[in-house]
Amino acid sequence: ETGVTQTPRHLVMGMTNKKSLKCEQHLGHNAMYWYKQSAKKPLELMFVYNFKEQTENNSVPSRFSPECPNSSHLFLHLHTLQPEDSALYLCASSQGFRGGEAFFGQGTRLTVV
Amino acid sequence: RKEVEQDPGPFNVPEGATVAFNCTYSNSASQSFFWYRQDCRKEPKLLMSVYSSGNEDGRFTAQLNRASQYISLLIRDSKLSDSATYLCVVNPDNYGQNFVFGPGTRLSVLP
Repeated sequence: ETGVTQTPRHLVMGMTNKKSLKCEQHLGHNAMYWYKQSAKKPLELMFVYNFKEQTENNSVPSRFSPECPNSSHLFLHLHTLQPEDSALYLCASSQGFRGGEAFFGQGTRLTVV
Repeated sequence: RKEVEQDPGPFNVPEGATVAFNCTYSNSASQSFFWYRQDCRKEPKLLMSVYSSGNEDGRFTAQLNRASQYISLLIRDSKLSDSATYLCVVNPDNYGQNFVFGPGTRLSVLP
């Protein structure tokens, strides 16, 4: 069983659709993250949750709405997205305040049409 | 100034070559440093953490210079399988809960 699992792996959605990305980690970590990776751009941090509390919101538009029901699960709810939101969305987890590296899921490749 | 900057690349090197990547970071309070590797259309994976004294893992050597806010990665005896994008990553705070990624340096090892 992989450490960080993301579903779906691929998603195509219209600009009026509502969809959700799911992330689950089996590493006993306390911090979870959403990153966005657009073509030819660095990874951009979107949200950080530590012990289920959101500790970082990196000026992300409200059409992206995160949810962290517990330390093992993280969702990203999407609605009324724009074509420029098409990207690879990566979830990661880490030990949080105790430091250590981040472990990534395989990502969801999102295309907005 | 960007938080984390890397050599723009790409680097095209023959098999067996030695190649070095450089990274600089802007926040002098940064505590943790890492090199990640990302293959095309895949997720980033940890290559190695970078410690103050420098560290080595097989053909890979990482160095940290806190005074100059500089990190390096040296790859010896390059293999075809080393072809990837190498990402410099910094924890800019004391809490270990944030990871700032550099833009990456693309390496192609040629036969």
